[in-house]
Amino acid sequence: AQKITQTQPGMFVQEKEAVTLDCTYDTSDPSYGLFWYKQPSSGEMIFLIYQGSYDQQNATEGRYSLNFQKARKSANLVISASQLGDSAMYFCAMREGRGGSNYKLTFGKGTLLTVNP
Amino acid sequence: ETGVTQTPRHLVMGMTNKKSLKCEQHLGHNAMYWYKQSAKKPLELMFVYSLEERVENNSVPSRFSPECPNSSHLFLHLHTLQPEDSALYLCASSHARQGVNYGYTFGSGTRLTVV
Repeated sequence: AQKITQTQPGMFVQEKEAVTLDCTYDTSDPSYGLFWYKQPSSGEMIFLIYQGSYDQQNATEGRYSLNFQKARKSANLVISASQLGDSAMYFCAMREGRGGSNYKLTFGKGTLLTVNP
Repeated sequence: ETGVTQTPRHLVMGMTNKKSLKCEQHLGHNAMYWYKQSAKKPLELMFVYSLEERVENNSVPSRFSPECPNSSHLFLHLHTLQPEDSALYLCASSHARQGVNYGYTFGSGTRLTVV
């Protein structure tokens, strides 16, 4: 079974509007971390935002916020006021806390976001 | 500049060539990773080094040979590659075993084309 599922291969949004990128995860570990990365066409992976499984509040970083619904095992990324520079591939990832493999970051397949002017 | 430097950025090599990819970090991290990213495929974890010891090798063909001489440097030695090995190779580093709130810092990648 996939640990991280991103069901939207591609998304389009108008400049200045908000967009939500979906991510669901699967783990039996009570301790885990969820991450979102942005990958522009240049290839580098840029860290955007982090949410811990024990965090009571949704994480926010500037225009990025994470809609964390623990019972549903979802961790959707919300980008407010989209900009043309937000056009990129977005990856959801998870790091689980238990056992010797807690260094391992598992990625979803990604969502390609296109921001239209 | 992310703190993780990969060289070269682009590489074109023939199937009989031998080349090496280099990754360097000075973030004080003690775990380093090689990922392969092919077109329309998810990121594939290839190798993991934690405290300079290889802890994971995800069924990667022997034509890929990693080397981690110290916690700051990671190499991927390539020989007799196939065209399907053409991909973006990403290096990353992190703190090993320090809790789930540590993600990875990635390099900019090496875009490899095998001809």
